[in-house]
Amino acid sequence: GQNIDQPTEMTATEGAIVQINCTYQTSGFNGLFWYQQHAGEAPTFLSYNVLDGLEEKGRFSSFLSRSKGYSYLLLKELQMKDSASYLCAVSSNDYKLSFGAGTTVTVRA
Amino acid sequence: NAGVMQNPRHLVRRRGQEARLRCSPMKGHSHVYWYRQLPEEGLKFMVYLQKENIIDESGMPKERFSAEFPKEGPSILRIQQVVRGDSAAYFCASSPLPGEGYGYTFGSGTRLTVV
Repeated sequence: GQNIDQPTEMTATEGAIVQINCTYQTSGFNGLFWYQQHAGEAPTFLSYNVLDGLEEKGRFSSFLSRSKGYSYLLLKELQMKDSASYLCAVSSNDYKLSFGAGTTVTVRA
Repeated sequence: NAGVMQNPRHLVRRRGQEARLRCSPMKGHSHVYWYRQLPEEGLKFMVYLQKENIIDESGMPKERFSAEFPKEGPSILRIQQVVRGDSAAYFCASSPLPGEGYGYTFGSGTRLTVV
């Protein structure tokens, strides 16, 4: 089976940095994804890691350690619009994604 | 270039009625995936379809649920004789190729409420 864990909620101040951790245990591994989802909207793709290490894309970075079954999403220079749910998802084969329950990030002024 | 279009955005059904959820993939995408999101839970895979074919329906409940993706027209997720437990957000995603997980584009979802 698939087990993906991430914190339920995090709060941070505008301009700060927040790190969202994700641990996973899956029967197969074909990549790890992070999505952002604002309330009532579609999940939107943020990042994809398949090899160990850090992938940086603007204010967002994602890290993966396959041996530890661990990833994190780093959000820098937080803005109010970053308040959203962040979903960690693991691909166990070519097409099937298993999602964590999501981390709700609240950015305060 | 329109994204993945789902309709309706909100759907209210009484127990025992049928619900039909529609998904039009992005232009050029021939692979469609349906996911369900229950309150306080993550998105759960339901079914993967290509045109006129169901590739993987391992996440579909065995009864009352069916999906199709005809040669012409949108993909349809059909729920017969709905029950309160079917209340959820149903998301559709599409991609141009299988194995292109990073190419998933999600629609805005249909929020089904069963009263």
